[in-house]
Amino acid sequence: QKEVEQDPGPLSVPEGAIVSLNCTYSNSAFQYFMWYRQYSRKGPELLMYTYSSGNKEDGRFTAQVDKSSKYISLFIRDSQPSDSATYLCAMSGGTYKYIFGTGTRLKVLA
Amino acid sequence: GAVVSQHPSWVICKSGTSVKIECRSLDFQATTMFWYRQFPKQSLMLMATSNEGSKATYEQGVEKDKFLINHASLTLSTLTVTSAHPEDSSFYICSAIRDSPLHFGNGTRLTVT
Repeated sequence: QKEVEQDPGPLSVPEGAIVSLNCTYSNSAFQYFMWYRQYSRKGPELLMYTYSSGNKEDGRFTAQVDKSSKYISLFIRDSQPSDSATYLCAMSGGTYKYIFGTGTRLKVLA
Repeated sequence: GAVVSQHPSWVICKSGTSVKIECRSLDFQATTMFWYRQFPKQSLMLMATSNEGSKATYEQGVEKDKFLINHASLTLSTLTVTSAHPEDSSFYICSAIRDSPLHFGNGTRLTVT
């Protein structure tokens, strides 16, 4: 079993839809949870950074962490074609060693 | 803030030659820098961790003599792919950290012919 599981997609949605991206993990020591967006042939760009359980909102993006279920989510409201990218979840136990999901490819159709 | 610059963005080299990739933290001093490799449609694979002024720590299975890492200052780390072969063709990404979280460069696409 991988430490972090993420559905690779692709996930196709119409413009304006609410997108839900998820990751599950097995290591209960993880305390820090990140979401990165990666466009083709570019490096990952940090979207959200959360510590422990709870919600965090930034514009159209909301990150949720449920440590009891070992489940994290990223919601994108009013999705735009420019949101089309690969979304990587990442987590760590407080060290610099991050564990990444495989990434979910998202396509927002105009 | 937290901008990481990586250069070059794309390089083609002949088999047997060496290639150097630079990673700079532009607006912060990075305590640690990391080098990743990414294959098409796959996630990031950590190759090595480097701290300024000390030897890099390589992940299991990564040849330290092939992938030379130098961390000359708190803002600069370099990865040199020595005696490159076609199987070294890949997307290499650096990242840097001061406190948290990781910030990434834009990657270097290496093609070895």
